[in-house]
Amino acid sequence: QVQLVESGGGLVKPGGSLRLSCAASGFTFSDYYMSWIRQAPGKGLEWVSYITNSGSIIFYADSVKGRFITSRDNTKSSLYLQMNSLRAEDTAVYYCATYRNGGFSYWGQGALVTVSS
Amino acid sequence: QSALTQPASVSGSPGQSITISCTGTSSDVGTYKYVSWYQQHPGKAPKLMIYEVISRPSGVSDRFSGSKSGNTASLTISGLQAEDEADYYCSSYTNNTTRVVFGGGTKLAVL
Repeated sequence: QVQLVESGGGLVKPGGSLRLSCAASGFTFSDYYMSWIRQAPGKGLEWVSYITNSGSIIFYADSVKGRFITSRDNTKSSLYLQMNSLRAEDTAVYYCATYRNGGFSYWGQGALVTVSS
Repeated sequence: QSALTQPASVSGSPGQSITISCTGTSSDVGTYKYVSWYQQHPGKAPKLMIYEVISRPSGVSDRFSGSKSGNTASLTISGLQAEDEADYYCSSYTNNTTRVVFGGGTKLAVL
């Protein structure tokens, strides 16, 4: 069955960096666009980024553009989110998800990122 | 402020039908068929319920249906059940640089 497992979350100071990973299994990873979506504590969903199946095209939300970098390694069935210059408002659970036909069909369990001094 | 507007809360009794609206603009909901809906129970990851405005993924109950008129999409849940109590989010593709937008979410209470 489809599985997406995020890792790499944790506590980081403002201005610091963190790298999230998402390990995929149970489907042909290279066939799917992938996305990162986050949810601040007690708040709604916020789309962060998506990357095409080849990795050649990447889009970002304005709130993270220039600070976050999404990448993928199809040989390892893995998605990554490099987060730099982190701010308190980046505190959230970060989900990776498959993106097809305009919908996020499969989701991971999420990784908590806390930005605090 | 979210790009798509949803009511903060809706409620209904078991067996009833409810509809959740999702209002966008001609840059997103009004132009594109890529409108989707998600159900999220507390502490859980969201689950895709509707994609491409009206399509249901395999395994999703046919009590859930989607529609769109102009700049507003809607999710209708018929035959409400206690397990439907959750937060619901809409999402749409947009021709803005952001490409994807979510609604602020609607809390459904089954009374």
